Amino acid sequence: QMQLQESGPGLVKPSETLSLTCTVSGGSISDYQWSWIRQPPGKGLEWIGYIYDSGSTTFNPSLKSRVTISVDTSKNQFSLRLTSVTAADTAVYYCASWKAAAGFDPWGQGTLVTVSS
Amino acid sequence: DIQMTQSPSTLSASVGDRVTITCRTSQSISSWLAWYQQKPGTAPKLLIYKASTLESGVPSRFSGSGSGTEFTLSISSLQPDDFATYFCQQYKPYSPYTFGPGTKLEIK
Repeated sequence: QMQLQESGPGLVKPSETLSLTCTVSGGSISDYQWSWIRQPPGKGLEWIGYIYDSGSTTFNPSLKSRVTISVDTSKNQFSLRLTSVTAADTAVYYCASWKAAAGFDPWGQGTLVTVSS
Repeated sequence: DIQMTQSPSTLSASVGDRVTITCRTSQSISSWLAWYQQKPGTAPKLLIYKASTLESGVPSRFSGSGSGTEFTLSISSLQPDDFATYFCQQYKPYSPYTFGPGTKLEIK
């Protein structure tokens, strides 16, 4: 059964870069589309972007100028970089697998990233 | 982007009740809609995709319907485990994915 696990710093200073990695186990990263999704405390879900094993990416237009998503197939990992963060970027960040035309599943457990000095 | 609304934002109900949550989109998405359940402190769980297809392992008391711009999630007989927040998500081809704002289902 495929499992995803986010990792990275839980605290980032304003104007700096948020970096997270998602490690995929129980399956190959070459088989699916991989997304980052975030959820500010007490609020709804926002899709950030996705990547394929080929490196092809698509981003949420509202975040596109600040987001990079990359993939390391040798490590079965994909990563998120979000630049110039502000307090508005404080959220639980999830990685998730997209089942073709069938929803996000599975999800990682999520990791809280707080932007504060 | 495709905008999404959900109603109601909060729903109070009792065990055994039948409840319905509505999701509307700003443009037609055919049947490219999924529903998720989220409990506090946990990741969302996929319930339904393609508007009405039940994900494997999801109880049959959950059902989805609709197409175009209006969709519903129904729970036929609420169980204690069903009290959670529910999100819809559209995935129309060539459009960014977007989620609805959520409906919190509370115990009356």
